Amino acid sequence: SQQGEEDPQALSIQEGENATMNCSYKTSINNLQWYRQNSGRGLVHLILIRSNEREKHSGRLRVTLDTSKKSSSLLITASRAADTASYFCATDPNSKLTFGKGITLSVRP
Amino acid sequence: DTAVSQTPKYLVTQMGNDKSIKCEQNLGHDTMYWYKQDSKKFLKIMFSYNNKELIINETVPNRFSPKSPDKAHLNLHINSLELGDSAVYFCASSQWDRGIDYGYTFGSGTRLTVV
Repeated sequence: SQQGEEDPQALSIQEGENATMNCSYKTSINNLQWYRQNSGRGLVHLILIRSNEREKHSGRLRVTLDTSKKSSSLLITASRAADTASYFCATDPNSKLTFGKGITLSVRP
Repeated sequence: DTAVSQTPKYLVTQMGNDKSIKCEQNLGHDTMYWYKQDSKKFLKIMFSYNNKELIINETVPNRFSPKSPDKAHLNLHINSLELGDSAVYFCASSQWDRGIDYGYTFGSGTRLTVV
């Protein structure tokens, strides 16, 4: 069964704009992770936020975690055409990394 | 150097055939996984091995048999292939250090098409 649910399912923005993607989950977690998948490629680990952390930054990425609401958001600032990809949140109930359905992000040049 | 490598990248085969997909990681990770991604991009874990021992076996038909000869390799053998087995199969590895997870590293996938 799915643990994470991303929102929106698809997002289209102009280059230079910020992209915000949300993820909700159901059970308690040790950490929440975000991955990117370019078309026809494997998943790339972007960032991991632990359950005792509220916010984390990595380059143009900012992740927040609200365990009381069982939700997380991924913000990509100053988007580029190369950010066009599918983004997945993943959580680890029972030590099994479980993915949401993903968000398709299109960045228009 | 590719961290997690899978072969083959593409596999087209007829129904009823038996095929294998190989995976190797050079990261020194203890745990390896097989995931299946369907046409709607939904990823589902199939198996997990830790130091050659099976630790996760999801509800997968027993036509699928993983084998881990050592902790750097995890192969997937599929018997009597069916049309519904068509998908992209991803191998991944991870390392836990004193109870802390550092995320998974994925291979580039094997696109299996059963005709």
